Amino acid sequence: AQTVTQSQPEMSVQEAETVTLSCTYDTSESDYYLFWYKQPPSRQMILVIRQEAYKQQNATENRFSVNFQKAAKSFSLKISDSQLGDAAMYFCAYRWDSGNTPLVFGKGTRLSVIA
Amino acid sequence: EAGVVQSPRYKIIEKKQPVAFWCNPISGHNTLYWYRQNLGQGPELLIRYENEEAVDDSQLPKDRFSAERLKGVDSTLKIQPAELGDSAVYLCASSLVVAGELFFGEGSRLTVL
Repeated sequence: AQTVTQSQPEMSVQEAETVTLSCTYDTSESDYYLFWYKQPPSRQMILVIRQEAYKQQNATENRFSVNFQKAAKSFSLKISDSQLGDAAMYFCAYRWDSGNTPLVFGKGTRLSVIA
Repeated sequence: EAGVVQSPRYKIIEKKQPVAFWCNPISGHNTLYWYRQNLGQGPELLIRYENEEAVDDSQLPKDRFSAERLKGVDSTLKIQPAELGDSAVYLCASSLVVAGELFFGEGSRLTVL
């Protein structure tokens, strides 16, 4: 079974600084998708960034970028120029590219941003 | 465009009581998901619908949980009777296609006393 592990229950970062959230996953599949979702307090979960496993280039979305290491099964999220609005729970998620499987989530990392 | 709408946002009940949650997905989204998120955990899938058909309900505790998606639009998740361990946030999500991006609602937080 596929599993997603986030080893950092909590992280903090100073405003305007950079922080990296870690994620590892376990799968025997070669084609899959990886995601980072953000869940602000009492707000809905939103997609931050997604990576297709067949793409070697790391995905970027403005201040958010990933470091995808397929051989190591690692998928970290880097947030640059951190802002107060980045404070939230961040979930790493995996989905096998069968088109018929659900997302599997990690336990999340709570990010605090210090002014 | 309206997002995924869930109600109620909060519900407090005593154990053994029934409870129901409602979800209205984004218009046109054929795939609908119900996830349960326990405190300090990531969401776990309960059931997935393709239109009105439940295509993955392997994680749904069928002795007390039931769900329906009438006419392939709105969906209701019911728990009867509720147990203390059912306290969690119940998230509804929808996607245009099964492999598409998931859009989540704000969730329904259930507290069972």
